[in-house]
Amino acid sequence: GAGVSQSPSNKVTEKGKDVELRCDPISGHTALYWYRQSLGQGLEFLIYFQGNSAPDKSGLPSDRFSAERTGGSVSTLTIQRTQQEDSAVYLCASSSAGTGLNTEAFFGQGTRLTVV
Amino acid sequence: SQQGEEDPQALSIQEGENATMNCSYKTSINNLQWYRQNSGRGLVHLILIRSNEREKHSGRLRVTLDTSKKSSSLLITASRAADTASYFCATVNDMRFGAGTRLTVKP
Repeated sequence: GAGVSQSPSNKVTEKGKDVELRCDPISGHTALYWYRQSLGQGLEFLIYFQGNSAPDKSGLPSDRFSAERTGGSVSTLTIQRTQQEDSAVYLCASSSAGTGLNTEAFFGQGTRLTVV
Repeated sequence: SQQGEEDPQALSIQEGENATMNCSYKTSINNLQWYRQNSGRGLVHLILIRSNEREKHSGRLRVTLDTSKKSSSLLITASRAADTASYFCATVNDMRFGAGTRLTVKP
């Protein structure tokens, strides 16, 4: 696609429910990143994919958070049993190469998750 | 863990003035990037500086890198109201971002 696409753009869910956030990276981009940004805060790294593998998932805050990537393309971030502190904007980015290389990352517009 | 740490946290200037933001990082790097974020949504890449470069220019942007101090600075010259945004740095090593600098340019 022309850019990184995230869906939904907004999601309101009840506490305790599971949610799935989707990221469609730019076609051909092998690296994919997920971040979380609380209101007025910086970006919190969650997980990094290179192809379908996740060499760095050290940022996932708890075992309620998981992510997968299939076909080296679409990625899904799943949050189980959502809590109010999970409310944030979840950002996805992709690049044509992984960490340590000289390529810029392209970001989607994010999914704003609100847990009520 | 955060890698890039920006300061100041917030900066307010008048249109036409220069804005300087700083970034510090913890580990050795190969390259460092600066990004801009409008309205709390996606970030946009501004400039990349390689570890063997000390200064780089792009339009009204000037970036410096001091690997001995593990720091970088972003200078925006002749600022405009449209430059109002948050600015973040990240090392290419691990793509970790700091809290960012919130820049407000008053018309």
